[in-house]
Amino acid sequence: GENVEQHPSTLSVQEGDSAVIKCTYSDSASNYFPWYKQELGKGPQLIIDIRSNVGEKKDQRIAVTLNKTAKHFSLHITETQPEDSAVYFCAASLNNNDMRFGAGTRLTVKP
Amino acid sequence: NAGVTQTPKFRILKIGQSMTLQCTQDMNHNYMYWYRQDPGMGLKLIYYSVGAGITDKGEVPNGYNVSRSTTEDFPLRLELAAPSQTSVYFCASSVSGGPYEQYFGPGTRLTVT
Repeated sequence: GENVEQHPSTLSVQEGDSAVIKCTYSDSASNYFPWYKQELGKGPQLIIDIRSNVGEKKDQRIAVTLNKTAKHFSLHITETQPEDSAVYFCAASLNNNDMRFGAGTRLTVKP
Repeated sequence: NAGVTQTPKFRILKIGQSMTLQCTQDMNHNYMYWYRQDPGMGLKLIYYSVGAGITDKGEVPNGYNVSRSTTEDFPLRLELAAPSQTSVYFCASSVSGGPYEQYFGPGTRLTVT
């Protein structure tokens, strides 16, 4: 089955700096790669996703890149703000019922 | 829309006890899921359902059971609770087809002692 690895496990940046989180996946058939943000005491919430027919997607300060050949994808957050502090999860799937999540990255944005 | 709601928020069980975690969604989604989240780990799929009356096992189904009698509700049953089932449980739902975004509930923190 699919295996997703996520790095780093913790990331601390100064407000205004950029943050990058990287994930690799094992199943070349996976075609959907979402990123979820989980705030303390809440359920994960989708912040951006990308499909395998696209190499990059951007939404304001958030962008995701996908390299299908190397089987890795990354989340980029620019101009970080304290409210970006949370745990971020990547995931990969081919179908609705086989989504595999990375172990998560705890991002801290210091004012 | 309330989205996905879960009850209870917290629960402490003794070893061998049973309980049902409730999950309801009001988005008319056909797909529903149960995940568990252990510290420092990603979410792992326990069971899923593609519609009323249809359920199937996920990655870690042992020790759990589910049912889906309506589109809205997807309860998770723990029989003979064990310390290894101490975790945070999340219910989620999505539209059919896909894969598409999954909408998560706020979670149930369960401790088995």
